[in-house]
This record gives sequence, C-alpha cells and structure tokens, in this order.
Amino acid sequence: EAGVAQSPRYKIIEKRQSVAFWCNPISGHATLYWYQQILGQGPKLLIQFQNNGVVDDSQLPKDRFSAERLKGVDSTLKIQPAKLEDSAVYLCASSLGPEPYEQYFGPGTRLTVT
Amino acid sequence: EDQVTQSPEALRLQEGESSSLNCSYTVSGLRGLFWYRQDPGKGPEFLFTLYSAGEEKEKERLKATLTKKESFLHITAPKPEDSATYLCAVPGLYGQNFVFGPGTRLSVLP
Repeated sequence: EAGVAQSPRYKIIEKRQSVAFWCNPISGHATLYWYQQILGQGPKLLIQFQNNGVVDDSQLPKDRFSAERLKGVDSTLKIQPAKLEDSAVYLCASSLGPEPYEQYFGPGTRLTVT
Repeated sequence: EDQVTQSPEALRLQEGESSSLNCSYTVSGLRGLFWYRQDPGKGPEFLFTLYSAGEEKEKERLKATLTKKESFLHITAPKPEDSATYLCAVPGLYGQNFVFGPGTRLSVLP
C-alpha cells in the first residue's frame, strides 16, 4: 500500500513570495490533515478536511494561508505572501475517517523563507 | 484548552539501559492517546493508540501505558536504532484538533 506522498521535499523562497505544497493521501482515506512543524516542536494542526469539506481550520492563518482538497483526494496548501516565521516543515497526513483514527504522515516539505 | 506536555525534553541512554518517557494531558473526554516515532527528516510514524486507563500495548522493546492523566512509553533494553523523537497526541472533543506534545528526543548510545 502506497503511503502519503508530498512534493516538493524542499523549497527555499524569499519573504513575500508565494509557495504551494501538494499532498496525495493514502487511497481510501477520507480525512486529510495539514500540519506545521517548527524545529524542536510537535506538529501543529493547520487544517483538516473530511472528503473535500473543511472540518477545522481554526489555526490556519487565513490572511496568508489557503488550502483546498480537489475531488476529495489530492490537496494543496498555499502561502501567499510568505513570512520568515513560516519557515518550517509542512506535513500532510491522512486517516480513514474523522474519528480519532491513527494518522499516517507523509515525509513533509521543508520550507525555508529568507 | 487541550494541552499535552512531554518529559524529559531529551534523554540519552546507553544501549540496554531501560527507561520511561512521560506524556501528560489535559483534555475533556479522552478519545484516545496516540504515540508516534519521528526520525530526522521524516514524518511521524504511528506506534500505538490507547483508549482507557489501565490499557497497555507492546511492540518489540516498547510498551505504552495509560492512566487518567498521563501515559508512559517504557523502553526496555533499547538499541541505537530506537534513537528518535517520540511524540504523543490527543484528539479534541469531537476527534478534531489533534494536539501534539513537543516530543522527547531519545538517543541510545552503543
């Protein structure tokens, strides 16, 4: 069974530029999550999708971050414009459903904003 | 507000030296406590889910236990390949808002 795929793996941009990350979850997983993990900290949930609807985006900085899940499968997370403090690893995870099932994580995208 | 803390922040063990990691949580109506392992440059890897006080689960040299306020991850006779950051997480009241602790960085020296 293929795992969660993410791309790109690394990205370096200047502040005020825009960037987009892509995630393909495990086949059949209805719930998809985007997390931000700053070095030395645990992952912080940004947004949770159930199929193609948003369940929770309370911690998403909506003035600069946006996310969508196309047809309830792939998802993209965008930052525009980026700030220095956005430097982090962006993790995508998926699970069978919205109940507290175990989540399976992708390898993450390491973003550096200079 | 749901909170998860972990201790110690970092732990260095000699190969074969057993120890325990702690995860303390404050959440209304626990609906599971999850343990993950994270290697450098990789996403977290699922280890265990515990649902009720008194529950225990084992996998190789790891055993996770749960009380009403905290969980322990016991590592018996660790090997260098057990070196990683161990994260615990709890879901919010409706299964949303997974809250992760800051993790414990474990180093096992040969």
